[in-house]
Amino acid sequence: EPEVTQTPSHQVTQMGQEVILRCVPISNHLYFYWYRQILGQKVEFLVSFYNNEISEKSEIFDDQFSVERPDGSNFTLKIRSTKLEDSAMYFCAAGGVVMGEQFFGPGTRLTVL
Amino acid sequence: AQTVTQSQPEMSVQEAETVTLSCTYDTSESDYYLFWYKQPPSRQMILVIRQEAYKQQNATENRFSVNFQKAAKSFSLKISDSQLGDAAMYFCAYRSERGSQGNLIFGKGTKLSVKP
Repeated sequence: EPEVTQTPSHQVTQMGQEVILRCVPISNHLYFYWYRQILGQKVEFLVSFYNNEISEKSEIFDDQFSVERPDGSNFTLKIRSTKLEDSAMYFCAAGGVVMGEQFFGPGTRLTVL
Repeated sequence: AQTVTQSQPEMSVQEAETVTLSCTYDTSESDYYLFWYKQPPSRQMILVIRQEAYKQQNATENRFSVNFQKAAKSFSLKISDSQLGDAAMYFCAYRSERGSQGNLIFGKGTKLSVKP
């Protein structure tokens, strides 16, 4: 079973602070994604990443968010100045080997106080 | 824009019985993928089953099968011989077939309870 790992599993931060969420996708996947799930709501797409650049982003992914793959393995999501409404579960996903399929990491629970 | 609708916020099934979760979607595309994901209390997203729109045959994975009705834009999930471990949130998802880059569009989910 393919595996995507994410760290940390839970992050607590103060409003206005920067956070970096990390993902280590399966090495032979080509496309990487971040999704967000506010508690009790559906999973929402944030951004997709391919060939070291953003390929698509949603309206949620505003200037407070950024992504990068600094060393060819880790895939990070940065939120520059967190807001209370950023509290959610953030999922990393990887795909591109088997057409259509995306494999999700276990998620990072972000709590903004 | 594509949308995915799950009209059953909650469902309940007796252990060992069969349950069907509904999903409808709206798209103008002819080629796409459809998925069911399971989310247990741990909140991990687990792929249950997938269906390519160009395939007429319904996908099956052990106790899980789908009823894919392309003309009706319907994609229901049937769980046979339900087990306690099947209790979870189930999300239906759509993905465009354009290359491998398309993001998933999720429904709001159905919470399935399994009674012993």
